Amino acid sequence: SAVISQKPSRDICQRGTSLTIQCQVDSQVTMMFWYRQQPGQSLTLIATANQGSEATYESGFVIDKFPISRPNLTFSTLTVSNMSPEDSSIYLCSVEDRSRPGTEAFFGQGTRLTVV
Amino acid sequence: AQKITQTQPGMFVQEKEAVTLDCTYDTSDPSYGLFWYKQPSSGEMIFLIYQGSYDQQNATEGRYSLNFQKARKSANLVISASQLGDSAMYFCAMRGVDSSYKLIFGSGTRLLVRP
Repeated sequence: SAVISQKPSRDICQRGTSLTIQCQVDSQVTMMFWYRQQPGQSLTLIATANQGSEATYESGFVIDKFPISRPNLTFSTLTVSNMSPEDSSIYLCSVEDRSRPGTEAFFGQGTRLTVV
Repeated sequence: AQKITQTQPGMFVQEKEAVTLDCTYDTSDPSYGLFWYKQPSSGEMIFLIYQGSYDQQNATEGRYSLNFQKARKSANLVISASQLGDSAMYFCAMRGVDSSYKLIFGSGTRLLVRP
């Protein structure tokens, strides 16, 4: 199974600022995914990040608000830009295990973001 | 469109007893995968078990088993011999062939294990 390190684990930010969340994997993975979990809610996919190409965003999420980088096969970042209290959520990255494609999906520890 | 439904917002179970968490799904994909995750209060998502749509047998992982009924489109999670550490949110999720490996999640069930 892939080991995923996500940083920071939590942060409290001022509205109008930006926060960049990092996701590091201990093995090369084809696909990395970024999810948002609003308080008391389920997980919603923000975007899929593939190495060497632009991220693919889900309906309701835009690149200007959630820019994503994927410089190599083991690392990705998600930035939450111009934050408002509505962005307070848990943000999680997930990867596809290339050794068992489609059968497992592992998550980082999550970043608990509070915007004040 | 794919959809996952978890109809139990909360469940109680006595320690050492078994509990079943319900999950139904809807998809037009001929091939798909079903997942269960545990989310403790820390917020991390812990992978528990996977069932492929073409798997002949129900998946099992230790105390976790998946009661897969394809005709009924249900994929219930059974936890045997509940432990206090099992208290958490549980999410059912689905991934289809055409969904580019993204997961669609249900609304979750909060399980509380009583001593």
